[in-house]
Amino acid sequence: AQSVTQPDIHITVSEGASLELRCNYSYGATPYLFWYVQSPGQGLQLLLKYFSGDTLVQGIKGFEAEFKRSQSSFNLRKPSVHWSDAAEYFCAVALNNNDMRFGAGTRLTVKP
Amino acid sequence: GAVVSQHPSWVICKSGTSVKIECRSLDFQATTMFWYRQFPKQSLMLMATSNEGSKATYEQGVEKDKFLINHASLTLSTLTVTSAHPEDSSFYICSARIAGDPSTDTQYFGPGTRLTVL
Repeated sequence: AQSVTQPDIHITVSEGASLELRCNYSYGATPYLFWYVQSPGQGLQLLLKYFSGDTLVQGIKGFEAEFKRSQSSFNLRKPSVHWSDAAEYFCAVALNNNDMRFGAGTRLTVKP
Repeated sequence: GAVVSQHPSWVICKSGTSVKIECRSLDFQATTMFWYRQFPKQSLMLMATSNEGSKATYEQGVEKDKFLINHASLTLSTLTVTSAHPEDSSFYICSARIAGDPSTDTQYFGPGTRLTVL
């Protein structure tokens, strides 16, 4: 079955520490891959996306993600977390950008 | 660029009434718009895909007579929750895809509408 998995429901990191949020997918072909961030009561903001080409993708707010085909993963990283990064992060996949499926989300808490 | 708005941002209504939510692409034309539903502390669930000038495609388990979708123009799609009940209370989010090459275009999301049915 087609699915996208975010194994970590909640992650807490200290401000200034590095961050990695995991995302794995199960699809017959390589889908389009996205990371979105959602602040409480808000819509989703696109951080970055991967369609093809370079497997290391740079996004906004200092985030990057690496597509690893062998591991069916698209993990999100940031070298130094800021308090304003506290939010819910969603990994999403789409086979043709017309049928987007979201992971369950990972809630990030940033400790001062 | 690529801004999507939703109106209203929140609405409270009585059980049995109907509520209309608007989704607008402000600075681009969107041939396709999507409607999602998000329960508290959960992920987004796709409800339907709306194409301008044609009938919406609903996901399995979504009642099309309950959630009426109209995509009358390239910048506006509406979701009407008919005869709303408390179990319809949720956060409804729309997204829009820029008209053009579907292999590269991205969905841009609105800020969401919180519906509370009393």
